[in-house]
Amino acid sequence: AQSVTQPDIHITVSEGASLELRCNYSYGATPYLFWYVQSPGQGLQLLLKYFSGDTLVQGIKGFEAEFKRSQSSFNLRKPSVHWSDAAEYFCAVAPWGGGNKLTFGTGTQLKVEL
Amino acid sequence: DTEVTQTPKHLVMGMTNKKSLKCEQHMGHRAMYWYKQKAKKPPELMFVYSYEKLSINESVPSRFSPECPNSSLLNLHLHALQPEDSALYLCASSQGTGDGANVLTFGAGSRLTVL
Repeated sequence: AQSVTQPDIHITVSEGASLELRCNYSYGATPYLFWYVQSPGQGLQLLLKYFSGDTLVQGIKGFEAEFKRSQSSFNLRKPSVHWSDAAEYFCAVAPWGGGNKLTFGTGTQLKVEL
Repeated sequence: DTEVTQTPKHLVMGMTNKKSLKCEQHMGHRAMYWYKQKAKKPPELMFVYSYEKLSINESVPSRFSPECPNSSLLNLHLHALQPEDSALYLCASSQGTGDGANVLTFGAGSRLTVL
């Protein structure tokens, strides 16, 4: 069965500092990979996705993620964090070929210190 | 229109009540989803409709009854719920097939409290 691990439950960074959120997946083949962000009491917003091709993908709000097959990782990065980036971040995977089943990681709560 | 609209935003109900959550999208998506999210937890898939047919039911108790009247609408009928069913219920939609079938657009959710 596919699974997603986000090792960091909470991360605190200072505004303007760089950010990296970790995500590791376990799956027989390279799945579809996603990062979603959720503000308190809100729905989830897609930041970026990886299906194939260039392993460095750009998303919205200045985020990027790098797929590393050898490490089964899909880490999310941002060069300079803004206070408005404080939220819950979920990594998610879906099986190659579709199937409409998205599996989410446990999430990382990001706090930004001013 | 790139939104998924959920109503109501908040719902409080007793254990003997019957209520419904509604979801609407006008993006031409042919797959729609219900997720349940407890506090500090990731969303958990409940149901998937694909081309108006129920394609996935993640062993959800029968007190939750989904309905997809047409390709734009998705309902979740609630009856005889338990306090532990209190959660944020998220609706999502995606394209019906291809790579886009895995790119979900989420609504803002309906916060349900069962007394």
